[in-house]
Formats: sequence, C-alpha cells, structure tokens
Amino acid sequence: GAGVSQTPSNKVTEKGKYVELRCDPISGHTALYWYRQSLGQGPEFLIYFQGTGAADDSGLPNDRFFAVRPEGSVSTLKIQRTERGDSAVYLCASSTSGQGTDTQYFGPGTRLTVL
Amino acid sequence: AQSVTQLDSQVPVFEEAPVELRCNYSSSVSVYLFWYVQYPNQGLQLLLKYLSGSTLVESINGFEAEFNKSQTSFHLRKPSVHISDTAEYFCAVSGNAGNMLTFGGGTRLMVKP
Repeated sequence: GAGVSQTPSNKVTEKGKYVELRCDPISGHTALYWYRQSLGQGPEFLIYFQGTGAADDSGLPNDRFFAVRPEGSVSTLKIQRTERGDSAVYLCASSTSGQGTDTQYFGPGTRLTVL
Repeated sequence: AQSVTQLDSQVPVFEEAPVELRCNYSSSVSVYLFWYVQYPNQGLQLLLKYLSGSTLVESINGFEAEFNKSQTSFHLRKPSVHISDTAEYFCAVSGNAGNMLTFGGGTRLMVKP
C-alpha cells in the first residue's frame, strides 16, 4: 500500500517568508508526528497528533511554528517569518495508534532551505 | 527525559567483515528501543525493535541487536556486511509516557570492497 508522502520534496525560500509543508499519512493511521533533521544530526521531535488534536507540541522551537490536522488525516506544518536556522529536512511519520510500541513509518521528508 | 548516544559517527568496514554499531540510552522510565536505517536518497525505515521478552532481536537482513538493561545499551551487530548495507543507522527510544521517538545522532556505516 501507499506509504507516507510529503510535499514538496524541496522548498527554497527567502528569510522572512512563510512556508507550508504537507504530510499525507498512511490511510487509517491515527497518530502523526513531525520531526526535524538538521545536517549531520538525528531527527528531533516537533509535534504529535492523535486524530485531529495536537497531543504533544513540546518540541516546537517557538511560536513561528504551527501545525494542523483538521480532518485527522493530512497535516500541514506552517512556519512563519522563516530564518536561516530553520533550514533542515522536515520529516513526517505516522503510526496505527500512537502507542510507544508502534512502529512509526516515515515519509521521504521535505528539504527546506532558507536563503 | 530520555536521551540516546551513538558513540561512533562513522564506521568504515570492509565487505564481509563483522560490524557493531553502538547505542546507549538514558531514561527514567521503561523504554522501547528501535534501530532505523536510512539508505542514500531514501527515507527512514525500521530495521528492528525491542519491546519486551527476549533481549536479542533480529532483522530479516541479518542484523541483530541485544537489549542490555544493566548497561543501558542496544548495540547493533552483523557478522558479515555487504556493500548494500552502506547507510546511516539511527538508534531511537520511546516510552509509555511519551510516544515520540528520541533519536541518537546516527552512525554512518561505510562498507568498502
């Protein structure tokens, strides 16, 4: 079946602009996660959705970052007033129910470059 | 809070040689342990995971990892590597209290002919 998909695969923007990154999880997965992977580092947790609600947003670095999942499937990560330090690969993952034992399935990521 | 340390950022090894990628974690609660692999130009894929029971877990492509609670380690091993094993390997933990994964910094395995 189809895996997790993310669009766009690459996004180049200028400092100060607004960007939206989209994630399509595996059909039927209620849990959805966003991570950020900077060059040479492991992924870092940003936010976790259970259904439509953000169950844990403790990883969002500041209030420029916001994410939604209005219908419990597709999610959008929104970054306002982008900064060069936001440049990274943004990863989305989904799992069946959000239990700690679940396997998280990752998308290919969106590479964001802020000039 | 949880943390994961992968002691080696790069591990070069010749084809058919054995390899061990080290992973240590710290956590105040019980954890579940995962190894993910990222092949060049591909997304993260689960390699294997430890949830409970037997401390030795295996993957379908010959990797194994052993959970050692006393040493808080979950090292990944393979007795004979192939060129196709060249990839970045990430160790990660999750816990009951938080469902997110906490990743180590990754180990780049470079298999040379």
